Amino acid sequence: SQQGEEDPQALSIQEGENATMNCSYKTSINNLQWYRQNSGRGLVHLILIRSNEREKHSGRLRVTLDTSKKSSSLLITASRAADTASYFCATAKTGANNLFFGTGTRLTVIP
Amino acid sequence: EAGVAQSPRYKIIEKRQSVAFWCNPISGHATLYWYQQILGQGPKLLIQFQNNGVVDDSQLPKDRFSAERLKGVDSTLKIQPAKLEDSAVYLCASSLVGTGTGGYTFGSGTRLTVV
Repeated sequence: SQQGEEDPQALSIQEGENATMNCSYKTSINNLQWYRQNSGRGLVHLILIRSNEREKHSGRLRVTLDTSKKSSSLLITASRAADTASYFCATAKTGANNLFFGTGTRLTVIP
Repeated sequence: EAGVAQSPRYKIIEKRQSVAFWCNPISGHATLYWYQQILGQGPKLLIQFQNNGVVDDSQLPKDRFSAERLKGVDSTLKIQPAKLEDSAVYLCASSLVGTGTGGYTFGSGTRLTVV
């Protein structure tokens, strides 16, 4: 079964608004990563947050991690039409050497 | 640097036929992964190589799927015979060392349709 579950499954916002996506997972992890996938393309790595970190920023992206609640959130500020894509969280489980992907959030940014 | 190369981009076959996908990872990346992504779902790991050795193939349907990574560089994934439920995008990814740093680099994938 999938390790992570994203919420919501789909999100539609106006350009300029902020978008927040959430990810929940089940087991202890070494790190959690977020990826973007444009339609018909491969996944692009966005950001990695380690289990001992609580927040990380990269440009317009802000990721938080709460290991006590086994959850993470991805915030995209000042969204653009080009941000339209599916976003996946992926967890690197403790003791495993590969990533387990969630079900994804489909983000649509309306110009 | 060049990305992860995959071919073909699209493939349509009839059920019970065989098909092969090819992947060339980023130069120097020791770890190579094959993922299966069914429409509307997240990628699911099929097999992981470290150099030319298999690290994890626990989710590979070994009765019909096989993969190899000769010389620790290119890799091929084969399905024989294909079933309708194998219709999916097959993604290849590579990384320097496991999951600890920098994330994976994915290819554009091969979209397989089994009819």
